[in-house]
Amino acid sequence: QKEVEQNSGPLSVPEGAIASLNCTYSDRGSQSFFWYRQYSGKSPELIMSIYSNGDKEDGRFTAQLNKASQYVSLLIRDSQPSDSATYLCAVTGDGSSNTGKLIFGQGTTLQVKP
Amino acid sequence: DAGVIQSPRHEVTEMGQEVTLRCKPISGHDYLFWYRQTMMRGLELLIYFNNNVPIDDSGMPEDRFSAKMPNASFSTLKIQPSEPRDSAVYFCASTEDPGHWGEQFFGPGTRLTVL
Repeated sequence: QKEVEQNSGPLSVPEGAIASLNCTYSDRGSQSFFWYRQYSGKSPELIMSIYSNGDKEDGRFTAQLNKASQYVSLLIRDSQPSDSATYLCAVTGDGSSNTGKLIFGQGTTLQVKP
Repeated sequence: DAGVIQSPRHEVTEMGQEVTLRCKPISGHDYLFWYRQTMMRGLELLIYFNNNVPIDDSGMPEDRFSAKMPNASFSTLKIQPSEPRDSAVYFCASTEDPGHWGEQFFGPGTRLTVL
């Protein structure tokens, strides 16, 4: 079983719609959760971090965390063509020892069509 | 401020040759990470350093890979001898905050091709 799972997509949404990206993780002890955006041929860039259950909003982005279900999601409101990228979900590897190991999912490719 | 700097940006070499990748973290960042990204395996952590000391190298694939951090502003990842399966994009990342491991800043990457 993969430690962090994402649907590879592509997820295609029209401009202005809400894009919903999902991620599940296997380590119940994980404490920290992140969404990185990676444009084609570029490096990953952190866009959201979330550390407690519930929602966290930042502009058009909302991260949602449900530790009981081991589920993290990212909502992008008013999607723009410039949001077209691969979105990587990342989780700290071992919540009990608080190591620096960050486990990434394979990423979901988002396409926003004008 | 300059971000994480990596060199070279592209490297093409032949099987059996030694390859050295270089990284300069953001000034003041005490943690440095080396990752490898491939289509098949995604983004994988190879090794990370704290205050120039290797902390976790469990992701280093085999003895052909080695990494050093002689000072706070420089790290190298060496592959000797290189093999075609080492072809990938290698990223270096850094962060300053031990309470927020995942908030990392990535360099532009080195695209390695081993023929």
